[in-house]
Amino acid sequence: KQEVTQIPAALSVPEGENLVLNCSFTDSAIYNLQWFRQDPGKGLTSLLLIQSSQREQTSGRLNASLDKSSGRSTLYIAASQPGDSATYLCAAPNAGGTSYGKLTFGQGTILTVHP
Amino acid sequence: DAMVIQNPRYQVTQFGKPVTLSCSQTLNHNVMYWYQQKSSQAPKLLFHYYDKDFNNEADTPDNFQSRRPNTSFCFLDIRSPGLGDAAMYLCATSRVVGVGNSPLHFGNGTRLTVT
Repeated sequence: KQEVTQIPAALSVPEGENLVLNCSFTDSAIYNLQWFRQDPGKGLTSLLLIQSSQREQTSGRLNASLDKSSGRSTLYIAASQPGDSATYLCAAPNAGGTSYGKLTFGQGTILTVHP
Repeated sequence: DAMVIQNPRYQVTQFGKPVTLSCSQTLNHNVMYWYQQKSSQAPKLLFHYYDKDFNNEADTPDNFQSRRPNTSFCFLDIRSPGLGDAAMYLCATSRVVGVGNSPLHFGNGTRLTVT
């Protein structure tokens, strides 16, 4: 069964800082990993999806990396802005067994960027 | 241009009174999912449909049922809501399961309150 852990649980930074959010997963036989953003009281917005054959994926100021062998992914946010404040969740699928394809989420990192 | 639409946005029901949440999608995706997310917790998969094939998670209470009358619509029925069922319910879709480039797309969720 896939288990996903995110560190840190919360992060508060001043505007303009570059920051890294960490995600680790136990079953490395994944076919993709997805990062989401969740604003308070809202649904999840997909930020980046990395396929198992990729090592990095970029969208604007966001860069996600994937290291399957070590069971880790990082989300790098460059030049953070107050509008980046949200909860960031990573999710990895179960790669086998009866729960094949089921997405397991981490608990999320609550990011606050203050002006 | 909302692609996964959940209604209503907020739902209040009484203890034990059946309630139905709805989800529709314009993506023509094969797979639809229902997740439950309690405060400050990771989303938890309740069940999903692959086309008309229903897949229930082993730990999903019998109190929760789902219907998918066609590709576009999926409903979550809670037969006798308890106070512990108060949560955000998230609907998601994906083109297929188990493929690297098939991300999940979420709706904005329905916040359920049980009084």
